[in-house]
Amino acid sequence: NAGVTQTPKFQVLKTGQSMTLQCAQDMNHNSMYWYRQDPGMGLRLIYYSASEGTTDKGEVPNGYNVSRLNKREFSLRLESAAPSQTSVYFCASSEPGTFYNEQFFGPGTRLTVL
Amino acid sequence: GQQVMQIPQYQHVQEGEDFTTYCNSSTTLSNIQWYKQRPGGHPVFLIQLVKSGEVKKQKRLTFQFGEAKKNSSLHITATQTTDVGTYFCAGLTSGTYKYIFGTGTRLKVLA
Repeated sequence: NAGVTQTPKFQVLKTGQSMTLQCAQDMNHNSMYWYRQDPGMGLRLIYYSASEGTTDKGEVPNGYNVSRLNKREFSLRLESAAPSQTSVYFCASSEPGTFYNEQFFGPGTRLTVL
Repeated sequence: GQQVMQIPQYQHVQEGEDFTTYCNSSTTLSNIQWYKQRPGGHPVFLIQLVKSGEVKKQKRLTFQFGEAKKNSSLHITATQTTDVGTYFCAGLTSGTYKYIFGTGTRLKVLA
């Protein structure tokens, strides 16, 4: 079991460029999440998907789009990157209704926008 | 909107000293989770508290959930260098799937 995998691990973009961050989980979880982490700000929820076929906005959705491609995969797209989107991005998954409902996090993508 | 505040932001302790971080929510929570993130790593689940006034222990770590289910604390007894990292609380409001994370407390343990 790989758990939650994310690609790429590192990325440098120029302002205005677009890119997609990929996330996949092999734990058959229904819920998946995208967070960004900035120094001193903790983790902020960008978008989440409670189950396959549904997506909802989190705290900071502006400038991002998501696709829940299937139960395993949840991608995050930056259409026109801005320096304010420089951050570490974490994908997570969980299974609501289970005893602990813990979130399993991927290793993160470190994105720099110049 | 819902906010989850965590204090202190940073804490430096000598090895062997105790450490406590506090988490306060602006709204009542259905449950609260705690995560640890090592430097350069990703958050890892520690525990979940659900009941009002609940206390759970994991070896040297003691977790509490307030009676009003709006605050929580994590206490580490006799810190070790392996405790270094950032500790986050994450609160869930009833009827949603959205966990709101606290700002985290970064713990540094001096040997």
